[in-house]
Amino acid sequence: DTAVSQTPKYLVTQMGNDKSIKCEQNLGHDTMYWYKQDSKKFLKIMFSYNNKELIINETVPNRFSPKSPDKAHLNLHINSLELGDSAVYFCASSQDISGYEQFFGPGTRLTVL
Amino acid sequence: RKEVEQDPGPFNVPEGATVAFNCTYSNSASQSFFWYRQDCRKEPKLLMSVYSSGNEDGRFTAQLNRASQYISLLIRDSKLSDSATYLCVVRGGTSGSARQLTFGSGTQLTVLP
Repeated sequence: DTAVSQTPKYLVTQMGNDKSIKCEQNLGHDTMYWYKQDSKKFLKIMFSYNNKELIINETVPNRFSPKSPDKAHLNLHINSLELGDSAVYFCASSQDISGYEQFFGPGTRLTVL
Repeated sequence: RKEVEQDPGPFNVPEGATVAFNCTYSNSASQSFFWYRQDCRKEPKLLMSVYSSGNEDGRFTAQLNRASQYISLLIRDSKLSDSATYLCVVRGGTSGSARQLTFGSGTQLTVLP
């Protein structure tokens, strides 16, 4: 009965590979997010979707492509992985676009070798 | 200047102590303020919202000073279970990308027995 789930939890891969991270929420929320937390612990918004529509797209390399097949799912595909992509990626959701309280998934720890 | 700045700590305090964390934000148009808590290698979770009049939730008191663009969190009678990183979070506005949450890098607290 996990509220926001992500897979995989850990991802270790070589530079240049393409990988995907999946996120699902069972809270009935309208809005979902992807965040990146780097080694300095800064948590930074990457993308936000509201009812499957992209509403926030921060300055992120276009190697990162989110996709929301329905409002309960938000996936992140990363092409041509680079060393600097190593981080923890958190998915989150909120009731609606006001986003007053966001519920985070457990994170995906990505290591690029 | 970072949008949200916090003293990274670490703060090491004995059980029962009172500890205060401070945070400053750079965008004077910011509208909403929060404290999130992140346990080691876990996801962030909302601890409390911060209101202009100040608010209290059990042993936790949050204060906001809009003139100084300053937010604080006071923890009284600290418990071992309070050990975590406390993230100061600011929301810029109510439309467009201003709705996003901007996270500070966190203040690490360790409560010692």
